Amino acid sequence: DGGITQSPKYLFRKEGQNVTLSCEQNLNHDAMYWYRQDPGQGLRLIYYSQIVNDFQKGDIAEGYSVSREKKESFPLTVTSAQKNPTAFYLCASSLSPSYEQYFGPGTRLTVT
Amino acid sequence: DAKTTQPPSMDCAEGRAANLPCNHSTISGNEYVYWYRQIHSQGPQYIIHGLKNNETNEMASLIITEDRKSSTLILPHATLRDTAVYYCIRRSRGANNLFFGTGTRLTVIP
Repeated sequence: DGGITQSPKYLFRKEGQNVTLSCEQNLNHDAMYWYRQDPGQGLRLIYYSQIVNDFQKGDIAEGYSVSREKKESFPLTVTSAQKNPTAFYLCASSLSPSYEQYFGPGTRLTVT
Repeated sequence: DAKTTQPPSMDCAEGRAANLPCNHSTISGNEYVYWYRQIHSQGPQYIIHGLKNNETNEMASLIITEDRKSSTLILPHATLRDTAVYYCIRRSRGANNLFFGTGTRLTVIP
């Protein structure tokens, strides 16, 4: 069953701790993306990767880091430098940047 | 900046067609119109996209006006599971970002 998985669905962390969010896809898509959604707002692009071993900053990359060592995986680390980390994080992938993006179920991160 | 305008909310009776409008009067020639929907606390779901011609798939139909300044997403027989926020998005081919605005909250009523 092809798709995008994100784990865990809910994540709780103490302030000052780094946390890594998982995103895996078995769709053989080249491009992967990370977005953040705050209550009542649209999505904002954090990072994207068009191909393995390459990634680019999106609109709000400060306080985040990513890696793309494998085509299937695009983990996002929320560092302690991110001032407002509590949000709903969404991972997406597309066959290539020209194609539509498909989203995972999301991870809701709460930092206290 | 989403650069599309949608009504904030709409209701539709179950079994009837839901017609969701979107205004994108400043769309440029290389920009597609994409539609996604998001059910509460889930990831957005791709519905359909088009450039000039009307498009139809198993989920919906997309009607784009000849001047491309507006479009309508049609769900032919709305069900309760279609209750969601629907987003109309302009996107250039190859653009990495999807600018989600505030969308239209569609409520399907039994």
